[in-house]
Amino acid sequence: DTAVSQTPKYLVTQMGNDKSIKCEQNLGHDTMYWYKQDSKKFLKIMFSYNNKELIINETVPNRFSPKSPDKAHLNLHINSLELGDSAVYFCASSHAQKSTEAFFGQGTRLTVV
Amino acid sequence: AQSVAQPEDQVNVAEGNPLTVKCTYSVSGNPYLFWYVQYPNRGLQFLLKYITGDNLVKGSYGFEAEFNKSQTSFHLKKPSALVSDSALYFCAVRNQAGTALIFGKGTTLSVSS
Repeated sequence: DTAVSQTPKYLVTQMGNDKSIKCEQNLGHDTMYWYKQDSKKFLKIMFSYNNKELIINETVPNRFSPKSPDKAHLNLHINSLELGDSAVYFCASSHAQKSTEAFFGQGTRLTVV
Repeated sequence: AQSVAQPEDQVNVAEGNPLTVKCTYSVSGNPYLFWYVQYPNRGLQFLLKYITGDNLVKGSYGFEAEFNKSQTSFHLKKPSALVSDSALYFCAVRNQAGTALIFGKGTTLSVSS
């Protein structure tokens, strides 16, 4: 019973391609996030959705487009992939009003070659 | 803006000895503070949080953290370290809107036998 699951776990692709990462949570949370962890292990928020509404959109290239079809899903689509997009992408969820901790998925290691 | 600082890139401790991983924060208003642990090639696991109440917070795997408002610190502690505690530890603070966690750069804990 995985709380936050994201697929795929590994993604290797060529520059210029378009790819998607999917995320689903079964915790009943109202807020979902995408974080990027770079090669130095820094974690940075990319997007935050609350009840399917985009709340945070950090300085991220517009090649990255999140989509939340419902409260339990938050997908990340990336166009025209670049070498610098190589990183680990984490999906997470939490309940914004209850001050709860965020639960993280296992991550998707994206390698652009 | 909310932020956390983890002044040590790495902490080395012998098994059985007490450990401390340091974190200081900068927030406007009351801080919501968290500690997470990341094992190699894994997602982030929640350890403990401070929202309000007792300054000493107990969490998973025998970890605890002490909230010190005057020193704006939230150090992670464990009385007796295990080799299996070796991992990357992140301190985080919730942003003012409650829509994201802002992470420190992480501290690698290495416990030797």
